[in-house]
Amino acid sequence: SQQGEEDPQALSIQEGENATMNCSYKTSINNLQWYRQNSGRGLVHLILIRSNEREKHSGRLRVTLDTSKKSSSLLITASRAADTASYFCATRSWNSGNTPLVFGKGTRLSVIA
Amino acid sequence: DSGVTQTPKHLITATGQRVTLRCSPRSGDLSVYWYQQSLDQGLQFLIQYYNGEERAKGNILERFSAQQFPDLHSELNLSSLELGDSALYFCASSAGATNEKLFFGSGTQLSVL
Repeated sequence: SQQGEEDPQALSIQEGENATMNCSYKTSINNLQWYRQNSGRGLVHLILIRSNEREKHSGRLRVTLDTSKKSSSLLITASRAADTASYFCATRSWNSGNTPLVFGKGTRLSVIA
Repeated sequence: DSGVTQTPKHLITATGQRVTLRCSPRSGDLSVYWYQQSLDQGLQFLIQYYNGEERAKGNILERFSAQQFPDLHSELNLSSLELGDSALYFCASSAGATNEKLFFGSGTQLSVL
């Protein structure tokens, strides 16, 4: 079952613009991760933010986490054509047992040169 | 290159048949995860092995089984295949047991005709 839901499902922007993708989830989490998938390829880990963190940066990526709203956002600044891909959020719930990393259905980002 | 190797890259077979997908994790990683990706269901967690033992189980059908061998490579066996089993099957690995930063293989595209 899907834990995270990304919004929007698809996003098209011009090169140089910023892209913002959102993720909402249902249960309390240990951490939230963002992954990128180029068409037909494997997923690549971008960034991990823990439940006690509010913001994290990595290069042109900025991730925020609001645990009170159960939501996260991924901002890609100064986008490039090479950023064209699908972006997924993934969550690991707080649980006494071993819980798997659950992925949303992703946001398809198209960056037009 | 993630360091995770999946074979074969493509597999075409008929309904009712059985196939085996193979995964070699990154050197040193003890956990192997299997995910199924389809257009309608998104990325679904199937099963996780950690150092040879089953660690977590997700939406894996009874017709599917997996194992992790002493050399840590893993195989996913799919039997009595149905048209709906057509999907992209990913293997991922991580160093530990707790789902931090997964490294994905490039996937096996299974087509059941």
